[in-house]
Amino acid sequence: SAVISQKPSRDICQRGTSLTIQCQVDSQVTMMFWYRQQPGQSLTLIATANQGSEATYESGFVIDKFPISRPNLTFSTLTVSNMSPEDSSIYLCSVELSTDTQYFGPGTRLTVL
Amino acid sequence: AQKITQTQPGMFVQEKEAVTLDCTYDTSDPSYGLFWYKQPSSGEMIFLIYQGSYDQQNATEGRYSLNFQKARKSANLVISASQLGDSAMYFCAILNNAGNMLTFGGGTRLMVKP
Repeated sequence: SAVISQKPSRDICQRGTSLTIQCQVDSQVTMMFWYRQQPGQSLTLIATANQGSEATYESGFVIDKFPISRPNLTFSTLTVSNMSPEDSSIYLCSVELSTDTQYFGPGTRLTVL
Repeated sequence: AQKITQTQPGMFVQEKEAVTLDCTYDTSDPSYGLFWYKQPSSGEMIFLIYQGSYDQQNATEGRYSLNFQKARKSANLVISASQLGDSAMYFCAILNNAGNMLTFGGGTRLMVKP
């Protein structure tokens, strides 16, 4: 496995503002993923971030709302832009290591007031 | 498109007993992977066990085993000798053939009684 960290671990934000979430892994990985887990719900894939290329977004998620950076093989950021209370969720990054297995970071709990 | 169904929103089990969490799936991919994750109240997602669709034997990892029945498209998780620390949400997930799309079920909340 790998050590995956996320910052911040939690935040409370005002509507209309933006928050950037960082994901750091202690080894080089090709594929990194960002998920959203709304309260009481399962995980939904937002986008796949590969180093050196544009992120690939899933249906229902757009780059203007969730811009993603992937500057190197150990780091990625997800920004939640122009937030509304509906964006209150846990945001998780994951990395693919071996046997197609994804390992997750500890998550970022976001509350939008 | 892939789909995972977990029909048990909540389960109780007595400490030290075994419990089975149900998972059925639907996919048109010829090859796929099945996963179980545990999510305690802290929110982190902990990888438990993996089963490849062409694996001949059921996967086991310590107290976790995966009862894989390909013809029935089911991948149930069996936890033996339940412990209080096993109380958590459990998610079944399927990875597509391309290896870039992990689809999760709705989850089962397991509560272990002392």
